[in-house]
Amino acid sequence: GEDVEQSLFLSVREGDSSVINCTYTDSSSTYLYWYKQEPGAGLQLLTYIFSNMDMKQDQRLTVLLNKKDKHLSLRIADTQTGDSAIYFCAESTGGSYIPTFGRGTSLIVHP
Amino acid sequence: ETGVTQSPTHLIKTRGQQVTLRCSSQSGHNTVSWYQQALGQGPQFIFQYYREEENGRGNFPPRFSGLQFPNYSSELNVNALELDDSALYLCASSSRDPPYEQYFGPGTRLTVT
Repeated sequence: GEDVEQSLFLSVREGDSSVINCTYTDSSSTYLYWYKQEPGAGLQLLTYIFSNMDMKQDQRLTVLLNKKDKHLSLRIADTQTGDSAIYFCAESTGGSYIPTFGRGTSLIVHP
Repeated sequence: ETGVTQSPTHLIKTRGQQVTLRCSSQSGHNTVSWYQQALGQGPQFIFQYYREEENGRGNFPPRFSGLQFPNYSSELNVNALELDDSALYLCASSSRDPPYEQYFGPGTRLTVT
């Protein structure tokens, strides 16, 4: 199976919180990342978390890491229509500079 | 600080032809990675270059090859194009310092007919 798995779609109402989930298999993952891709564009790094952290907050973004369950989530507070995009989870292991990406979660924000 | 740039933006080629895609890395980055992103998929790692040497390769055939130049810019070459090579090709640059985050260019959309 895939090393990094994500649900494919998420639909939320503008102003609500969005939670995008990701699971990974490599227990030696060192860094975990969230990227955003808008239509026709490259990937933009949103945030990352080191594996010895449980949580990281950056403005409207909150990343939660459950290392025991190998589960990562990205919460977007007060979701706006401009947040509509595909969100990719990625992980890299210590000593490897090559991240592994999930298939992406398409976030649709409707009024 | 200049971001990652790629050229061309779009390209249409015929099956069997060869193509060269180009990438300029972000200032201060010495590592360049190339990815293939098919429609509806995540980026699939093709290979990575560090200081002009290939530093890792994904599950892609030898007809995918690359180069990195002394200024850390890079090329991706694909020979004997197949229809399945149609995809968005992404270049990402990074440093060797943690957290090793990658900075992506806008991509080159390749269509093979």
